[in-house]
Amino acid sequence: NAGVTQTPKFQVLKTGQSMTLQCAQDMNHEYMSWYRQDPGMGLRLIHYSVGAGITDQGEVPNGYNVSRSTTEDFPLRLLSAAPSQTSVYFCASSYTSSGELFFGEGSRLTVL
Amino acid sequence: QQQVKQSPQSLIVQKGGIPIINCAYENTAFDYFPWYQQFPGKGPALLIAIRPDVSEKKEGRFTISFNKSAKQFSLHIMDSQPGDSATYFCAAGSGGSNYKLTFGKGTLLTVNP
Repeated sequence: NAGVTQTPKFQVLKTGQSMTLQCAQDMNHEYMSWYRQDPGMGLRLIHYSVGAGITDQGEVPNGYNVSRSTTEDFPLRLLSAAPSQTSVYFCASSYTSSGELFFGEGSRLTVL
Repeated sequence: QQQVKQSPQSLIVQKGGIPIINCAYENTAFDYFPWYQQFPGKGPALLIAIRPDVSEKKEGRFTISFNKSAKQFSLHIMDSQPGDSATYFCAAGSGGSNYKLTFGKGTLLTVNP
């Protein structure tokens, strides 16, 4: 069982470039979320989804876009990368709204 | 606005010691308080969680103490081991929406042999 899989694990971008961080889970979880982790800041919620076709904004949504066309996949798009988006990004999923949150291993993004 | 305040930022103990990590929250709507453990290069993993209807929960060497009136909760690690060296995050959720947790800033725990 793969759990939550994130790709790529590492990425370097130039300011203004766009890219998509991929997240896939094979646990048939309805709920998926994206967090960013910055030193001394903990994890902050970017966007989340409560099921296919349903997404909403979290605490720090600016500069990011998401979609949820299938239960398994929840990609995070950076529209025009900025140095402030240098971070480690984590995708997470849970089976129920009140259940345990399972995290992927993260994607480390550097924007120059 | 930091809704969950975590301290200390870092903590060093000797093997067998009892590190204690504290968290305080402001939002009285929070009703779910998990702790996550994160090793370098890995994603966070749920360690233990508590709901406000109990004051303490123990799982193995890990204990959460919860003080609803003070809006505080803490993690105690009994008989700490070098393998417990990791970053620990407290978090809070509300209304059954645990997929959108509010996290503390984390505590880097080092357990020396």
